[in-house]
Amino acid sequence: AQSVAQPEDQVNVAEGNPLTVKCTYSVSGNPYLFWYVQYPNRGLQFLLKYITGDNLVKGSYGFEAEFNKSQTSFHLKKPSALVSDSALYFCAVRDSDNFNKFYFGSGTKLNVKP
Amino acid sequence: DGGITQSPKYLFRKEGQNVTLSCEQNLNHDAMYWYRQDPGQGLRLIYYSQIVNDFQKGDIAEGYSVSREKKESFPLTVTSAQKNPTAFYLCASSRAGAGVGMSTDTQYFGPGTRLTVL
Repeated sequence: AQSVAQPEDQVNVAEGNPLTVKCTYSVSGNPYLFWYVQYPNRGLQFLLKYITGDNLVKGSYGFEAEFNKSQTSFHLKKPSALVSDSALYFCAVRDSDNFNKFYFGSGTKLNVKP
Repeated sequence: DGGITQSPKYLFRKEGQNVTLSCEQNLNHDAMYWYRQDPGQGLRLIYYSQIVNDFQKGDIAEGYSVSREKKESFPLTVTSAQKNPTAFYLCASSRAGAGVGMSTDTQYFGPGTRLTVL
């Protein structure tokens, strides 16, 4: 069975500092991994995805994610956090048996303080 | 202006009522999805459709029904059989249909409908 885990309910970081939001995954085949961001009472916005190739994936708004196969992780990172980055972040994995199914983590709330 | 629209933004339901949530997309996507979001639980799949006139149950389909008569539209009905319907409902779409080659496609989400039972 496929799944993702986001071990932190909340991450606090000061503006200008680097941020990391953690995600680990479990899949039976090749992992197709995604990060989304959600602002209050809004839908999810796509940030980036890993399919194959370079382990460091660059996405929208200066975010990047590092794929680590040995640790089965796909952590979201940004070198310098902005207050406007404060939101709810979701990691997701695509089902390798049914490409139309995605499994989402429980979400991590990122708080960036000025 | 392409995208996914959901209506209404807020919906209130009385006990025993059926309500229908609208989802429309003009992205020419084959696949559409309905998710339910509860605090601290992430998103859970209710139903999905790979193609017109076909849909499959997700992980929490009980108490819900859908139809896919047009490619652009995938309405969700929350029936009176759904005992705890208060939640935020999200519709999504992607190019991926049944083809294996579409496995890398991304889902795109609508703005959501917040349903509250009175």
